[in-house]
Amino acid sequence: SYVLTQPPSVSVAPGQTARIPCGGSNIGSKNVNWYHQKPGQAPVVVVYDDSDRPSGIPERFSGTNSENTATLTISSVEAGDEADYYCQVWESSNDQYVIFGGGTRLTVL
Amino acid sequence: EVQLVESGGDLVQPGRSLRLSCVVSGFIFDDYAMHWVRQAPGKGLEWVSGIDWNSGNLAYADSVEGRFTISRDNAKNSLHLQMNSLRAEDTAFYYCAKGVYSTGWGGYWDYWGQGTLVTVSS
Repeated sequence: SYVLTQPPSVSVAPGQTARIPCGGSNIGSKNVNWYHQKPGQAPVVVVYDDSDRPSGIPERFSGTNSENTATLTISSVEAGDEADYYCQVWESSNDQYVIFGGGTRLTVL
Repeated sequence: EVQLVESGGDLVQPGRSLRLSCVVSGFIFDDYAMHWVRQAPGKGLEWVSGIDWNSGNLAYADSVEGRFTISRDNAKNSLHLQMNSLRAEDTAFYYCAKGVYSTGWGGYWDYWGQGTLVTVSS
């Protein structure tokens, strides 16, 4: 079965750049979506189709996807960016449909 | 304003059934596929099931296939999840989520409800 691998945690100081990787076999051939989730709240999409941003999401959020790793980059990190971040792809083989990464807790130091 | 409001979560015994509902407003419901995504307390996200705009295409995660049934009533702007033979591992917050496409799969979920808690325990 297809698996997406994320580090459990990433820490960064305010104003610095956070990079959250999402590893998967040939993930570069898939469209990757990223969601963030703050405690007690529903997930919110921050990047879709590898690198597009929904309206209302700051330009500080960006995404790349190549070969076996997709990366969510958050520049000029703010305290309010502290959340869990999940990558997600659609997988058409073996009737799996939707795969989420295990999630990364972003801590702003 | 787009709103998705789930209901039906409860404490139930293993083996019993529960029906979740999600009532939506603020968008043309029958233009979009809808999904259920769950999250066990303190754990990550898990997609559960999806249904396209006219109920012609349904899909389930392996973990719920044969036990859960997704349905929608476009006249009532509502999405449902019938959950049978519940297990302890089904304990989770259940979110309904709006897809950005009407048919097939793909895309992302642009609106989510706040979730309803299902607890399966004796």
